[in-house]
Amino acid sequence: GAVVSQHPSRVICKSGTSVKIECRSLDFQATTMFWYRQFPKQSLMLMATSNEGSKATYEQGVEKDKFLINHASLTLSTLTVTSAHPEDSSFYICSASGPYEQYFGPGTRLTVT
Amino acid sequence: DAKTTQPPSMDCAEGRAANLPCNHSTISGNEYVYWYRQIHSQGPQYIIHGLKNNETNEMASLIITEDRKSSTLILPHATLRDTAVYYCIVRSPSGGGADGLTFGKGTHLIIQP
Repeated sequence: GAVVSQHPSRVICKSGTSVKIECRSLDFQATTMFWYRQFPKQSLMLMATSNEGSKATYEQGVEKDKFLINHASLTLSTLTVTSAHPEDSSFYICSASGPYEQYFGPGTRLTVT
Repeated sequence: DAKTTQPPSMDCAEGRAANLPCNHSTISGNEYVYWYRQIHSQGPQYIIHGLKNNETNEMASLIITEDRKSSTLILPHATLRDTAVYYCIVRSPSGGGADGLTFGKGTHLIIQP
């Protein structure tokens, strides 16, 4: 199946700093990518839809100025958590759309101290 | 997308078939049934999907009732590595992966040695 990578897999940052997470589709081109967030013992929640060459679409309740998404190419989308706070600590997962299904990355564990 | 209902947890003995049920009584005519699973601290993995016919691939079988209001995912010979949370998702194809997925709480399948 198609492969989606994320980098970094794990990051610890201080409160108030910004963190960038990369999502790459390694063997196919993805016009659309998605960003999800998962808190402990909870299910994945869709944060935003990232479209190549256009602005991302954010789900209700997700601050677009805090979670900056850039989808500059058909194989790369980035999520930047700006001015991170401890409550932003979570597991961030991206996915890329294929013809029939979505392919998920391995996730990035963000811890804000 | 139609809502799904799954048991919160199930146990299965290693080597036996694991049968995971899903109710989707409000499914529409053009909506597919998708199954994903998430092993702890990893991104979700696509398993199988179907519209109305039973489907089988190298991972599992999907049995959809004739009225399409419920389905069962079958792992024919469960192994310890199949321990994961299994998500049943109903969605219209809309170009395959153009929309983000709505994850319910899923079923935590525990394979017992």
